[in-house]
Amino acid sequence: EVQLVESGGALVEPGGSLRLSCAASGFTFSTYGMNWVRQAPGKGLEWVSYISSSGTAVYNADSVKGRFTISRDNAKNSLYLQMNSLRVEDTAMYYCARDGPDYDPLTGYPGYYFDSWGQGTLVTVSS
Amino acid sequence: QSALTQPASVSGSPGQSITFSCTGTSSDVVGYNSVSWYQQHPGKAPKLIIFDVSNRPSGVSNRFSGSKSGNTASLTISGLQAEDEADYYCSSYTINYTRVFGGGTKVTVL
Repeated sequence: EVQLVESGGALVEPGGSLRLSCAASGFTFSTYGMNWVRQAPGKGLEWVSYISSSGTAVYNADSVKGRFTISRDNAKNSLYLQMNSLRVEDTAMYYCARDGPDYDPLTGYPGYYFDSWGQGTLVTVSS
Repeated sequence: QSALTQPASVSGSPGQSITFSCTGTSSDVVGYNSVSWYQQHPGKAPKLIIFDVSNRPSGVSNRFSGSKSGNTASLTISGLQAEDEADYYCSSYTINYTRVFGGGTKVTVL
């Protein structure tokens, strides 16, 4: 069974930093791209960052470029999100989400969807 | 990257079918067959219910179906049940290698 468990959420002041972690189990972590998706209180989902299975490709939403850094340690089956220069508007539940397969035999191309999600970790940015 | 456009709310009676839309642009929905849909109950994590426009993951009810025409993807829920009351989000891959979500549609079962 695929399991994704986020941790590291906390209350932090504007301008501060925080590092989120996501522990993965139940699948071969090193063969899947991974994402961070966030949801502000009472609002919709917002994609934040993607990292490829090998870690060589990284993409970020414009709203976090230059402030957030996604990374992974395949030896530890772990995904991370380093968040710097935090703003009040970064307040949200942060979800770790597994990408579809690098090659989906059903369609013949990569799976650009989020097929498994963690339960989330709450980040609150406030003074 | 602008969010995909979804209606804020849709409602229906038990047993009815409802369909709601997800509108994008040539940079996302039009250009890729990578539209997915997620169901989210209050206080829970989202759950994938449709991927690649019209495919259902194993274990998802066949009452959920997806389609796409031009810049608009659609989700249909047939035989509406009380447990279908939730928020639904569409998502698409984009030309910039990023992902984008819709604003979400709240489904109410009357």
